[in-house]
Amino acid sequence: EVQLVESGGGLIQPGGSLRLSCAASGFSVSSTYMSWVRQAPGKGLEWVAVIYSGGSTYYADSVKGRFTISRDYSENTLYLQIISLRAEDTAVYYCARSPEIPTGKYFFDYWGQGTLVTVSS
Amino acid sequence: SYELTQPPSVSVSPGQTATITCSGDKLENKNTCWYQKKPGQSHVLVIYQDSKRPSGIPERFSGSKSGNTVTLTITETQPLDEADYYCQAWDSRTLWVFGGGTNLTVL
Repeated sequence: EVQLVESGGGLIQPGGSLRLSCAASGFSVSSTYMSWVRQAPGKGLEWVAVIYSGGSTYYADSVKGRFTISRDYSENTLYLQIISLRAEDTAVYYCARSPEIPTGKYFFDYWGQGTLVTVSS
Repeated sequence: SYELTQPPSVSVSPGQTATITCSGDKLENKNTCWYQKKPGQSHVLVIYQDSKRPSGIPERFSGSKSGNTVTLTITETQPLDEADYYCQAWDSRTLWVFGGGTNLTVL
């Protein structure tokens, strides 16, 4: 059974940094596209970062230079390193999997339940 | 930046048909899907590649596309279908873009 469990969120001061984790089970995070998606309070979903099975990474313009997506094959875990946190980064952060099919990159077939990041002094 | 527009809310009576729209520029050229989100639960993919239904999703859920609008249709709507629904589009330039979400109320 595929499961994604995020952790690492919390209350962080502006300018701070943190690392979010997404522990996966039932598949390998290295075998397919894995993304982070966030939802700010009262807002819609926003895709922020992806790591392809080959290791390439891409970011939304709004987070480029401050967010780094990575993965650990042995831990089967996806990460999101965030630096220089801003109030507008306050959101629930979800990890999401794209399925290993030829057209799988177009959508997400499994999501975690999310971890809340609050940026405030 | 690319935007997808959904109505904030839709209401439907039990047993009736609910339709949720999602519009965006040149949407006809993009791959689209729909997610369902209930409080305390993970997002569930209900439609992918415009009109395909994942295994385990009831046949009551269907997707269609016409021009720059995609539509999620739920026939014989049940109280358990009450949720937020998000459309999402993909293309090689904008990657993954979501609509603002529609709260479906069944009453």
